[in-house]
This record gives sequence, C-alpha cells and structure tokens, in this order.
Amino acid sequence: NAGVTQTPKFRVLKTGQSMTLLCAQDMNHEYMYWYRQDPGMGLRLIHYSVGEGTTAKGEVPDGYNVSRLKKQNFLLGLESAAPSQTSVYFCASTPVRGSTGELFFGEGSRLTVL
Amino acid sequence: DAKTTQPNSMESNEEEPVHLPCNHSTISGTDYIHWYRQLPSQGPEYVIHGLTSNVNNRMASLAIAEDRKSSTLILHRATLRDAAVYYCILRDETSGSRLTFGEGTQLTVNP
Repeated sequence: NAGVTQTPKFRVLKTGQSMTLLCAQDMNHEYMYWYRQDPGMGLRLIHYSVGEGTTAKGEVPDGYNVSRLKKQNFLLGLESAAPSQTSVYFCASTPVRGSTGELFFGEGSRLTVL
Repeated sequence: DAKTTQPNSMESNEEEPVHLPCNHSTISGTDYIHWYRQLPSQGPEYVIHGLTSNVNNRMASLAIAEDRKSSTLILHRATLRDAAVYYCILRDETSGSRLTFGEGTQLTVNP
C-alpha cells in the first residue's frame, strides 16, 4: 500500500528554471493539498483540490500552478523558480468530504533554488 | 478561517504525562478539532480528532473544553519518540477543504 507518493524527493534548480512536483495517491481520495514548509516554520497551504478537474488557491499561491487532471494525481508547477521557493513541499490527501477525515501526507520533496 | 493558538515549545520528562494546550476561541459549531504531529524530517501524521466529547485512541487522548474554545492533547507517558512538533487544526464541514496549519508546539522529551 503506497499511500501518498511524492516525486522527486530532492531537486536543485537554478533561478528561472521550471519544474513539476508530482503527488500520487492510490487511496481514491477526493481532496488533495500542497503545502510548503520553510526551516523552523509550520506548514503553509499553497493550493488544494476538492476533486478531479478542480483546484483552488491556499494561503501562499503566488509563483505556483497546479493541475488535477486525474483523481489520483495532483501536480505542483513552478514556472520560473526563485530562491524564495527553496523549501520542503508536502502533499496530502483525505478521503472524505466532511470534517472527520484523516489527512495522509507524503514524505516531502526538498527543493533548493540557487 | 478559525485560527488556533499553541505555545511555541514545551518540555517533558520521559515516562511522564504531557498536556499540550490549544486555544481556538473562534471555533464554530461545525469545526472538528484535529491534532497532527511531525517527527524530524518526516511529513505530519494524524494523531486524533474530536468534536465535543473527549476522545481516546492508542496514541493519545483529546480533552475538549465544554465551551469548545480550547482543547488539550494528552500523551499519557511520553517517550523519546514522541519528540515532535504538534499541530492543532480546525476542520469545518462547509469549508473543510481549506486546511490551515499554524506554527505548532515543539515538544522536547528529556531522558
């Protein structure tokens, strides 16, 4: 049972380069989330999705785009990476529409922008 | 979104109980209280959640104040493996898709 899988786990980019982080879940969850976590800080919500084909902005969406073309995948894109986007990125999913669903997190993707 | 307030850090001794507080004075009637923890270099993991009544599971207990404006996560016997950042968050049925984490409480467990 894979759960929530993030790829890649590590990546180094130069300023201005683009990349895509992939989050895949095999639990048929409806909701998926992308968070970023800077050193010594809590998690901040970037974007989220409440179902296939839908996305919405979180607290810190600027500089990121997302897509949810398939229910099991949630992609986070950086079109032109900046050093301020150096962070650890976590994907999460949850199975239920309501308030009782447990969030399942991936192991994180560590991104460094030089 | 309703917000939560937690102390930045707490310390405990191994095998002693730990009470981690969380204030959520603007909680609404449909908000569930969730707790997660994050071990070093890992993603957060679910600990427990509740609505009004106190809850127990194999990991911890959750005590919810009668007015629901605060709650306490209780670790009955802290171990070194419980050293982590603990997050208290609120999840609402109506806006429940937008889940916001605060800074959390860094728990240090002394041997």
